[in-house]
Amino acid sequence: SAVISQKPSRDICQRGTSLTIQCQVDSQVTMMFWYRQQPGQSLTLIATANQGSEATYESGFVIDKFPISRPNLTFSTLTVSNMSPEDSSIYLCSVGFQGALNEQFFGPGTRLTVL
Amino acid sequence: GENVEQHPSTLSVQEGDSAVIKCTYSDSASNYFPWYKQELGKRPQLIIDIRSNVGEKKDQRIAVTLNKTAKHFSLHITETQPEDSAVYFCAAISEYGNKLVFGAGTILRVKS
Repeated sequence: SAVISQKPSRDICQRGTSLTIQCQVDSQVTMMFWYRQQPGQSLTLIATANQGSEATYESGFVIDKFPISRPNLTFSTLTVSNMSPEDSSIYLCSVGFQGALNEQFFGPGTRLTVL
Repeated sequence: GENVEQHPSTLSVQEGDSAVIKCTYSDSASNYFPWYKQELGKRPQLIIDIRSNVGEKKDQRIAVTLNKTAKHFSLHITETQPEDSAVYFCAAISEYGNKLVFGAGTILRVKS
C-alpha cells in the first residue's frame, strides 16, 4: 500500500499568519482530498485537489481562505490563510487510487493550533 | 446532498461482548459505504467497506450489513477486545461518486 506523509505534523501559529501543509504520496494517485477535523468532531471535506486545475471547494470553504495546489499526481498543498483561533483543527489529506473504486486512505494529519 | 447519521455517539461494552454501530444515509444513489477506525491521535484507518450490490461483508471479527431499502448500514464487532476501543466513523459516497460524507462518529469503549 502507498505511504502518505504530511508536513508539518503539528504547528502553533499566531493569529493573522498563514500555514502551508504538504501532502506527499509515494505513488501516483487519482484523487486527493483535504479534510478538516475539529476537536472531538467528525471529518469535513474542504476541497478536492485537482491535478493541473483549480480545486473544487465544498460549501462553506473558499479559495481565498484555503488555497490548494496540486502540481502533480503525488503532491498537494493546503494553505490556511489569515488564521484565527477558530482554524485550530487537524487537517488531513486523503488519496484515492485508480481502480480502487472509491477507497480513500488518510495521511497522518497536521495538528494546527492558532493563538 | 448526502447526509449520514450515526448512532450511538458512545458505546461501552464488556470485553468479549459484541458491539453494533448503526448509520443511515439520505441519498438513494449512494453506492459505497466505508467504515473508519480512529485511535487517539492517529489517522482514520479504513477497516471494512461495502458496496450497494452486496448485503453483508465479513472480515474476521468485524462485519458490515447494508439495507438499501431502508438506507441504513451497520458495523458489527464480535468478541470485542480492549484494542477495539477507538472512534468509529461511517461514511457514504455522495451523488458525485468521489466525495465521502462522514457520520458524527461513535466512541467505543471496551472494558476489561
